[in-house]
Amino acid sequence: DARVTQTPRHKVTEMGQEVTMRCQPILGHNTVFWYRQTMMQGLELLAYFRNRAPLDDSGMPKDRFSAEMPDATLATLKIQPSEPRDSAVYFCASGSGVSTEAFFGQGTRLTVV
Amino acid sequence: DQQVKQNSPSLSVQEGRISILNCDYTNSMFDYFLWYKKYPAEGPTFLISISSIKDKNEDGRFTVFLNKSAKHLSLHIVPSQPGDSAVYFCAASAHYGGSQGNLIFGKGTKLSVKP
Repeated sequence: DARVTQTPRHKVTEMGQEVTMRCQPILGHNTVFWYRQTMMQGLELLAYFRNRAPLDDSGMPKDRFSAEMPDATLATLKIQPSEPRDSAVYFCASGSGVSTEAFFGQGTRLTVV
Repeated sequence: DQQVKQNSPSLSVQEGRISILNCDYTNSMFDYFLWYKKYPAEGPTFLISISSIKDKNEDGRFTVFLNKSAKHLSLHIVPSQPGDSAVYFCAASAHYGGSQGNLIFGKGTKLSVKP
């Protein structure tokens, strides 16, 4: 059963703390997206990788956010330091790079207090 | 500046009737359009797509229509069922050199189908 796996599902942290969200893309997929869902902005694209290389991270606040793919089976999104306005659901999605459909994980609900 | 716009935040429809969800886009480079469905506490799931070389694609109760001159697409659900109640996201992508580009989403429309 191929699926995108995100951990943790829920995270509550204090302002100023580092947060790391992890994503395991579907095996064989070479394109990984990170999105943030908020009530006001819908699904915002934060970053987008192909073959582990970042192609577009213009949607990400560079001073506090960073996204990496240490290997083909793991993508990470870090926030340091976290702020209350970062509270949102963060989704990872993967795709084959040729086919356009992207498959989403269940998301990480982040609450920064 | 939003490249994909869903101007109706919500839509309420009676069971058995047609649901029509609308989406507008501004980037003429988009060549592939998708609809995703999202239930609470779950990730979006792919529903149906259409290439820019077509103007209609049908899959069961779901039909997507594309009007390139108007930069407008719509999703029709006929007949609507209570289980269709969810948030529907329109998305668009441009292919560069044969490879998938960014997938840009609208803000979503919450559909409620009443029994």
